[in-house]
Amino acid sequence: QKEVEQDPGPLSVPEGAIVSLNCTYSNSAFQYFMWYRQYSRKGPELLMYTYSSGNKEDGRFTAQVDKSSKYISLFIRDSQPSDSATYLCAMTRGSNYQLIWGAGTKLIIKP
Amino acid sequence: SQTIHQWPATLVQPVGSPLSLECTVEGTSNPNLYWYRQAAGRGLQLLFYSVGIGQISSEVPQNLSASRPQDRQFILSSKKLLLSDSGFYLCAWSHLWGDGYTFGSGTRLTVV
Repeated sequence: QKEVEQDPGPLSVPEGAIVSLNCTYSNSAFQYFMWYRQYSRKGPELLMYTYSSGNKEDGRFTAQVDKSSKYISLFIRDSQPSDSATYLCAMTRGSNYQLIWGAGTKLIIKP
Repeated sequence: SQTIHQWPATLVQPVGSPLSLECTVEGTSNPNLYWYRQAAGRGLQLLFYSVGIGQISSEVPQNLSASRPQDRQFILSSKKLLLSDSGFYLCAWSHLWGDGYTFGSGTRLTVV
């Protein structure tokens, strides 16, 4: 069993829809959770960084962590075609530990 | 501000040829440096990481090697490429292991 599971998709939704992207994990020691966005043929870029449980909002993006369920989510409101990309989750126990990556979910926003 | 440069963007190499990919970071000192490989439609595989000059740790045994001759320079090499070395190679840096990483723009390597 992988430490981090992420559905590779693709997930296709119409423009303006609310998107929900998710990862599950098995290591209860994970404390820091991140979401990266990767456009085709580009390097990933950090979107959201959260610590422990709870929600964090940045514009149209909301990151949610549920440590009791070992489940993290990224919500995108009012989705745009420019949001079409692969979204990778990553997590770690702390600053002195490696990042563990999900496989990435390919998201397609249809105009 | 910090920037990371990675080149070349695209590379086509014959089997058995050598490889050298270079990555440099600007605007910071003593960064952690990483080389990742990403196969088509798959996640990131950590190949090497470095916490200082001359300090290289390998995650996956293979015919690739890495070197860090200067604080902000990280080089990925191979003496003889295999077909299985094809992929998207990404360099990244961070201040600490668990920080958010900043990635370069990647090198798409095709071994023919």
